Amino acid sequence: DGGITQSPKYLFRKEGQNVTLSCEQNLNHDAMYWYRQDPGQGLRLIYYSQIVNDFQKGDIAEGYSVSREKKESFPLTVTSAQKNPTAFYLCASSIAGGLTDTQYFGPGTRLTVL
Amino acid sequence: QKEVEQDPGPLSVPEGAIVSLNCTYSNSAFQYFMWYRQYSRKGPELLMYTYSSGNKEDGRFTAQVDKSSKYISLFIRDSQPSDSATYLCAMSIYNQGGKLIFGQGTELSVKP
Repeated sequence: DGGITQSPKYLFRKEGQNVTLSCEQNLNHDAMYWYRQDPGQGLRLIYYSQIVNDFQKGDIAEGYSVSREKKESFPLTVTSAQKNPTAFYLCASSIAGGLTDTQYFGPGTRLTVL
Repeated sequence: QKEVEQDPGPLSVPEGAIVSLNCTYSNSAFQYFMWYRQYSRKGPELLMYTYSSGNKEDGRFTAQVDKSSKYISLFIRDSQPSDSATYLCAMSIYNQGGKLIFGQGTELSVKP
């Protein structure tokens, strides 16, 4: 089955630790995205990538980093510089990142800082 | 002021009711308008999309866009308990890598 997988489903982090969230897709999509969702705030874009080895900052990139070494994979690292990392993280992909290309979302990772 | 504002919820209606969900936006450059549905603890899924002002119908769902007023709506007719979810409006602009700007989301509960 084609789709987007995110792991782990739940993640707990101690303050001061970096953690990496996994996102893999087998849809052969060029574009991939990371969003953060907080209660009452909808989804906010962290980073996006339209092609391998290239990515751009979204609206809330501070304290996060990404890489895009393979078309299928777009991992997100939440660094210790992110002041309030507890949130629901969603990865998405689309065919090419065009205006009308549908974004398909993964099931999400819920990160909690202890 | 946020670029996209969505009516806050939660919204609770009886089964069979007509539901109206609304968003306003401030950026007149938005060209593509979407509604996503998100069930609890799941990723959002695209429900409807439209480009132009006017209405677009798909079964029990109607998406409405008024570009002059910078206002979009989603109507659900004959609402069902299975429609209980959070509904998110989203918008995008040409040549920005598909970047979506989302509203805050409205949580809908349809009671049998």
